[in-house]
Order: sequence, then C-alpha cells, then structure tokens
Amino acid sequence: AQSVSQHNHHVILSEAASLELGCNYSYGGTVNLFWYVQYPGQHLQLLLKYFSGDPLVKGIKGFEAEFIKSKFSFNLRKPSVQWSDTAEYFCAVNAQNTNAGKSTFGDGTTLTVKP
Amino acid sequence: DAGVTQSPTHLIKTRGQQVTLRCSPKSGHDTVSWYQQALGQGPQFIFQYYEEEERQRGNFPDRFSGHQFPNYSSELNVNALLLGDSALYLCASSLVGTGDLEQYFGPGTRLTVT
Repeated sequence: AQSVSQHNHHVILSEAASLELGCNYSYGGTVNLFWYVQYPGQHLQLLLKYFSGDPLVKGIKGFEAEFIKSKFSFNLRKPSVQWSDTAEYFCAVNAQNTNAGKSTFGDGTTLTVKP
Repeated sequence: DAGVTQSPTHLIKTRGQQVTLRCSPKSGHDTVSWYQQALGQGPQFIFQYYEEEERQRGNFPDRFSGHQFPNYSSELNVNALLLGDSALYLCASSLVGTGDLEQYFGPGTRLTVT
C-alpha cells in the first residue's frame, strides 16, 4: 500500500521568503507524483506532476519540485513566495501504469504568507 | 468548458439515514473518482467509475456504493450513515487512455451527520 507523509502541518512565511515543503512517500514500485493546491474557497487544482525524465519539474505560478528517488521524496519549492500563495498544499502519489483516479494524498500543509 | 460540478453543496443527515451525492465530470472526461476528505486530512480514495463500472476501490465498507450513467455523470451513495462519515466528499474526473494523468476536482459536498 502507498502512503504519503508531509512533514510540515502549518508553515508561516513573510513575502519574498523562500519556500520548501517536504513530501515523502512509501511504495515499492514506480510512481507518479503530484502536488495540488487549494486556495481559500476554491477547488483543489494541480500545481505540478512528475511521471518520468528530468527529476526537476516546473509547475504553475513559479513552483517547482524535485524527485529524489533514493530518498522517496518530492519536495515542493518556490524561491520567493507572495501573499497570494496562501493556501493548502497536498502531495499525492499513484502507482505508475494506473490511471489518474486512485491517488494517495498526504494530510496537507497549510501555508500562510504574511504581507 | 464546464468543469466538474457537484451537488448538493451542503447536506445534513441523521445517523442511520442514507445519502446520495452527485457529480458531473469535466466536459470530455469519461472517468469519475470519489474521495472523502475528513477535517485536517488529505483526500482518501473511495472508488473510481469508468464505462459504468466500478474499476478500483479504496478501503471503504460496502455502505459506500456508486453508479455511473451513460453520460459519465456519477452518484455516490452512503447507507446507514455514521457520525464518522461527516466529511467533504470530492469528485474528480479524468480521461482514460490519453496518458494525461491529471485529475480535475469539483468543489465538493460537505456532509454533516448528526
């Protein structure tokens, strides 16, 4: 069975600070990895995804994530956060060669950016 | 281009009752997945429907059942409601066979069981 662990439950940063949110997963096979974001009052939406190839993937709004296979990690980064990045962030994984539907999510990290 | 829609937005039920939640997938999508998100937790996969059949199922009891219609819309039914079923229920749609593993989520239905 797959599991996902997000290390930080709540992160508070000032604008322009750098961000790194941790995500580790547990699964014996090959995986697809995702970061989702939920802005206040909005739907869950995809930030970025990794299937294969370059382990450094870039997503929307200046976010990027690096897949480190040896550490079973997929940490999310942004060099300089903005107040509008205040949201909840979820890391998710599914087994490769399955379709998108059956994803295992972490419990989320709430990011608060102070203006 | 219509996104994923869910109804109702909020629902209050009593223990032991039954509930039906509805989902219309994003235009062009053929697969619907349902998730339960309890307060302070991430979404948990309930099951997935494709071609009107349940294709995958998570670790949820048989009280949770579903259906997919020929127009790809879907229902989630929960029987004999328990207090612990109180949660946000999310529907996500995707398109099988395209290699695009992105799911599109709806706004959710907030179920409160009293």
